[in-house]
Amino acid sequence: TQLLEQSPQFLSIQEGENLTVYCNSSSVFSSLQWYRQEPGEGPVLLVTVVTGGEVKKLKRLTFQFGDARKDSSLHITAAQPGDTGLYLCAGASGTASKLTFGTGTRLQVTL
Amino acid sequence: SQTIHQWPATLVQPVGSPLSLECTVEGTSNPNLYWYRQAAGRGLQLLFYSVGIGQISSEVPQNLSASRPQDRQFILSSKKLLLSDSGFYLCAWNGDLAFANYGYTFGSGTRLTVV
Repeated sequence: TQLLEQSPQFLSIQEGENLTVYCNSSSVFSSLQWYRQEPGEGPVLLVTVVTGGEVKKLKRLTFQFGDARKDSSLHITAAQPGDTGLYLCAGASGTASKLTFGTGTRLQVTL
Repeated sequence: SQTIHQWPATLVQPVGSPLSLECTVEGTSNPNLYWYRQAAGRGLQLLFYSVGIGQISSEVPQNLSASRPQDRQFILSSKKLLLSDSGFYLCAWNGDLAFANYGYTFGSGTRLTVV
């Protein structure tokens, strides 16, 4: 069974601070996705990383895929209250479109 | 555009009662369909997935079953609910060719409480 462990589980920071969320596994993935979920809703895709060592930036969010394609990180610069939510990483392997989701990181950004 | 509908939004059912959750997708054909369960504030556990009509793969042994009677319809069922079946159930779809760019598209979920 493939497992994706995220750390930290919970993160409470003030507006303007920076943070990094980690997603680690002992398994190799063909690609890795990051989602954000609001309470009572389904997760929404933020990004897909495919190549080992790949870095993608979406405004204040920076995503990195590890060289060995076993881990990933999400860095948020100057966090805002709108960043609050549950962040989930998800790895794809084997059957291309079947995802294994991480354990989740709940982020709260306060004023 | 593609949309996914999932209902009901919330459900309270007694132990031992049957369950039927429905998910439909519009605007696409032959989607891959998934049922996930999520514990409070945590990650998603894949329950079932389907790559075509009548094709169901089960990921974990459990008290639930799934069916795909039509191309864009996915149903999650149980004959007798257990307390441990409580949770947030999410349906999702994707098309293989769009997977890298669009990932999964999720429904809005069903909060099931078994009492």
